[in-house]
Amino acid sequence: GAGVSQSPSNKVTEKGKDVELRCDPISGHTALYWYRQSLGQGLEFLIYFQGNSAPDKSGLPSDRFSAERTGGSVSTLTIQRTQQEDSAVYLCASSSLAPLPGPYEQYFGPGTRLTVT
Amino acid sequence: DAKTTQPTSMDCAEGRAANLPCNHSTISGNEYVYWYRQIHSQGPQYIIHGLKNNETNEMASLIITEDRKSSTLILPHATLRDTAVYYCIVIKNAGNMLTFGGGTRLMVKP
Repeated sequence: GAGVSQSPSNKVTEKGKDVELRCDPISGHTALYWYRQSLGQGLEFLIYFQGNSAPDKSGLPSDRFSAERTGGSVSTLTIQRTQQEDSAVYLCASSSLAPLPGPYEQYFGPGTRLTVT
Repeated sequence: DAKTTQPTSMDCAEGRAANLPCNHSTISGNEYVYWYRQIHSQGPQYIIHGLKNNETNEMASLIITEDRKSSTLILPHATLRDTAVYYCIVIKNAGNMLTFGGGTRLMVKP
């Protein structure tokens, strides 16, 4: 079946511009995660959506970062006034969180490579 | 979540078994051991997970010691496509975000 898809695959933007990154999770998956990975580094959690609950935004590095998930499916991560330190690969993952009690693996998309010049 | 320790890198001959160790001495009773891998320029890929018992799927086997303080991921017949960074993580039940440390860089050589 179709996996997690992300677009664009690559994005080059100038410092100060806003960018939007899109994630299409696996159909039926209620949980959606955003992470970022800088070159040669591990995974940094950004935000987590689960069903209709309020998202866990505890990983967002600044108020320039925001995300929304419409209709419990597609999610958009927005970075305003981009800075060079925002350059990284942004990864989206989804998980079914069913059937209970778990545990549940996360399925990752290919990522969006963001370069801020 | 418990911290894990893995060797930085390992080599394996193509066709041989790759045995990747992981220490998680502070694991608690309700925490699972998960393994993911990341092939160059791709997103992480789930491999296998376990709680107490050894597990096997089409990709790998997971051997967890009786005291649960360490585990070994076994790729029974490594191929060149298995060259990747392998991450061992310990997390509680549903919904937990993942945190990858350095992982083990496995190089499968012909």
